Amino acid sequence: QSALTQPPSASGSPGQSVTISCTGTSSDVGGYDYVSWFQQLPGKAPKVMIYEVTKRPSGVPDRFSGSKSGNTASLTVSGLQAEDEADYYCSSYAGSNYVFGTGTKVTVL
Amino acid sequence: QVQLVESGGGVVQPGRSLRLSCAASGFTFSSYGMHWVRQAPGKGLEWVAVIGFDGSHIYYADSVKGRFTISRDNSKNTVFVQLNSLRVEDTAVYYCAKGPSFEHWGQGTLVTVSA
Repeated sequence: QSALTQPPSASGSPGQSVTISCTGTSSDVGGYDYVSWFQQLPGKAPKVMIYEVTKRPSGVPDRFSGSKSGNTASLTVSGLQAEDEADYYCSSYAGSNYVFGTGTKVTVL
Repeated sequence: QVQLVESGGGVVQPGRSLRLSCAASGFTFSSYGMHWVRQAPGKGLEWVAVIGFDGSHIYYADSVKGRFTISRDNSKNTVFVQLNSLRVEDTAVYYCAKGPSFEHWGQGTLVTVSA
């Protein structure tokens, strides 16, 4: 049950795009289409932004999109806005258990 | 709307026990699996356990297996986690989340394990 690997930080200017990777193995990310992405603001509970790799819950802006290739999933935030500055985590089903990513702090320059 | 409210956190000595509760509303609780996830101060998210919609299919993270027990009472729309043999490293905010994809989260309850 090793954590999924994410870059510690990512940044972009307002209006730009930022992509966060989430690398696992064939036993988790690569083996199932059950990858989710979460946004966590300081002092707040996480909020799901993407689930089942590409699905966006109602209320989440379409600036947020997800994808997967092999053992790596990605979250792209297009048209970056100041309110997107937060910590982002991925998670994956791993066959009877679940695993989270190490987390990425996104900074809007 | 979906609401999840955790309770039961507090300060406890190493080796002692605590029982956390999560009261759910706004959805058909008995149709969904439920997770517990924790976050140590300043650290990332760690999945703890999951329980199937009917109380079957229970799984734990290796770090808590044999010490924590997840359960649910569908008549009361509540999921529980019993924390036994607590260690300093179990100090964290504990969240419950609606399964299967953690679609909704509670506000969390803080458990502090300290002598």
